Amino acid sequence: GAGVSQSPRYKVAKRGQDVALRCDPISGHVSLFWYQQALGQGPEFLTYFQNEAQLDKSGLPSDRFFAERPEGSVSTLKIQRTQQEDSAVYLCASSPSSGNTIYFGEGSWLTVV
Amino acid sequence: EDQVTQSPEALRLQEGESSSLNCSYTVSGLRGLFWYRQDPGKGPEFLFTLYSAGEEKEKERLKATLTKKESFLHITAPKPEDSATYLCAVQAGAAGNKLTFGGGTRVLVKP
Repeated sequence: GAGVSQSPRYKVAKRGQDVALRCDPISGHVSLFWYQQALGQGPEFLTYFQNEAQLDKSGLPSDRFFAERPEGSVSTLKIQRTQQEDSAVYLCASSPSSGNTIYFGEGSWLTVV
Repeated sequence: EDQVTQSPEALRLQEGESSSLNCSYTVSGLRGLFWYRQDPGKGPEFLFTLYSAGEEKEKERLKATLTKKESFLHITAPKPEDSATYLCAVQAGAAGNKLTFGGGTRVLVKP
C-alpha cells in the first residue's frame, strides 16, 4: 500500500499484559513518529526515529513504554504490564526527511480491561 | 514549552454557513504550522503547511492563513462532508521534527 500501515487495528488487553503495536511507514521515509491520542483529544508525541536511531523519546510516559526500529523501516511500540490509563489510539506517522509533510496511519486502538 | 490552543472546541454549522477556526500558538522558532483533518476512527489527513506570517493556502472550500501568533482555517460554504475534527499542529526549532498538536475543533455541518 501507499500509506502508513499499522497493525493490529484493534487490540483488547487484560491489565498486566504486554502488547506490541507495529508500524510500516511509507517506503523510503526516513523519519518515523509515534503519537498517543486519547478520546476527544489531540495526538500527544511519544517518540521519534530518524532511520534506526531513536532521536527523541521524551514523550514516552513511563519505562513500560519501549519503541524500536532496528533496520530503519518497520517500527514496533511495546507496552509492558498494560494499565487502564494506557487505553488510547496509538498513531504512527512518517515523513521523507526533516521538514517534510508528516503522514499518519489509521492508528491502533488499544483498550485495556 | 510549545503550546497550541484551538477554538472553539466544537462548531455546528448549517450547510453553506461560512465560519473560521482559530489556532493560537506559543513556540520558540516556528518552522511550520500544519492543519490536519481527522474523521472518526481514522488517522489525521494532511491538509496544509504554512511556514511564515502572511502565507495563505487554499484547497476546495478550505483556506488557511498564518500570523505571528495564530492561524485561521476558513471554511467557505461548507457541505456535510466537511464534518470532521480539524487539528492544528506546530513544528518548532527547539523541539526537533515532532509536531505539537492542539486539542482540535469538531465541526458538524448539517444539511
